Amino acid sequence: KAGVTQTPRYLIKTRGQQVTLSCSPISGHRSVSWYQQTPGQGLQFLFEYFSETQRNKGNFPGRFSGRQFSNSRSEMNVSTLELGDSALYLCASSLDGSGNTIYFGEGSWLTVV
Amino acid sequence: GENVEQHPSTLSVQEGDSAVIKCTYSDSASNYFPWYKQELGKRPQLIIDIRSNVGEKKDQRIAVTLNKTAKHFSLHITETQPEDSAVYFCAASIFGNQFYFGTGTSLTVIP
Repeated sequence: KAGVTQTPRYLIKTRGQQVTLSCSPISGHRSVSWYQQTPGQGLQFLFEYFSETQRNKGNFPGRFSGRQFSNSRSEMNVSTLELGDSALYLCASSLDGSGNTIYFGEGSWLTVV
Repeated sequence: GENVEQHPSTLSVQEGDSAVIKCTYSDSASNYFPWYKQELGKRPQLIIDIRSNVGEKKDQRIAVTLNKTAKHFSLHITETQPEDSAVYFCAASIFGNQFYFGTGTSLTVIP
């Protein structure tokens, strides 16, 4: 069974631009969550989607948004990029989100210059 | 919200020795506690997990213990090997897939 797939793997953006990251969960998984990983802050929860609905949201500004499609694929968008948004963005999927194990993708490395 | 603290931040052990990493959590409603291993440049991978109705779980050289009263859980790795060198994260979840992670422990196993 294929794992969680994230694209793109690496990208460089300029301050003020926006970026869209994509995540395809493990086949059959309906819950997708997003995390930001930085050396200083560790792994921080952004939001979680289940059946195309955002169920939980972390403490991030409104510039961070996401959505989930009917095939469970998810995208997250960051608008008006800031230098501090440079991070590894990890997507994780789980079967149904009822406290089940989450499996991470390889992540998207975002550098904002 | 939940707050997870993890100690130590770095740990060096000789090959063959044991390693212990400890985490505390603040919300007594947390009921699921996974541990992830992350090698440099790679994704975090689940190595073991425990639910609040269980006190201890073991998988070969890895074990996790949970003390709900004290709100802490620990990862134990026995007979450490160089390939165990990585960053280890603990996490706690109350409901769904909103996980709160510890800040990580960088484990170095010295051959």
